[in-house]
Amino acid sequence: ETGVTQSPTHLIKTRGQQVTLRCSSQSGHNTVSWYQQALGQGPQFIFQYYREEENGRGNFPPRFSGLQFPNYSSELNVNALELDDSALYLCASSSGLAGKETQYFGPGTRLLVL
Amino acid sequence: AQSVSQHNHHVILSEAASLELGCNYSYGGTVNLFWYVQYPGQHLQLLLKYFSGDPLVKGIKGFEAEFIKSKFSFNLRKPSVQWSDTAEYFCAVSPSGNTGKLIFGQGTTLQVKP
Repeated sequence: ETGVTQSPTHLIKTRGQQVTLRCSSQSGHNTVSWYQQALGQGPQFIFQYYREEENGRGNFPPRFSGLQFPNYSSELNVNALELDDSALYLCASSSGLAGKETQYFGPGTRLLVL
Repeated sequence: AQSVSQHNHHVILSEAASLELGCNYSYGGTVNLFWYVQYPGQHLQLLLKYFSGDPLVKGIKGFEAEFIKSKFSFNLRKPSVQWSDTAEYFCAVSPSGNTGKLIFGQGTTLQVKP
């Protein structure tokens, strides 16, 4: 148990739709990172938020966007869904950016795009 | 390009056998190194980490890893595996100043037979 929760656990969408995934971090964790894990692959870094501002992005298009809120929750939004967006989406939170924080992962949201 | 390569995709061992999982990385700059583990039905969790200093690091559950800078490697070892070690293992790197921007390998599935 990491204290990081994600909702929903599973989701089915059709191509072209939009989706919002949610993550709730531990109190005091002002840094959240989002990852996409395709089947049989390791997680891929999407972006990171620190104190409600984006703090770096991986190789993902702008239709992947995020928000972080003062209550230690965050969202990942994906517009114009494509079949290849089908994956497990993980969030990970930590207590800052000093460089040695342990990342606490949530259980993930499994998204299927048909 | 930044990348992490894990040598073995699927490893099957008998209980009490020794384990070594290979990991090599390509990254420009100083890095932090990690091994994460995902037990069936559980969250991704940190097994061990290297930031600096002694290149031999010890983690939870009897695991250890050795950082060899000249070989860009960070191999995971355990002298005697147990059935409960059955899991997916991920090697990861991050820039030295931010543990939340992880680059993962593709993972190794370890199956330990009782």
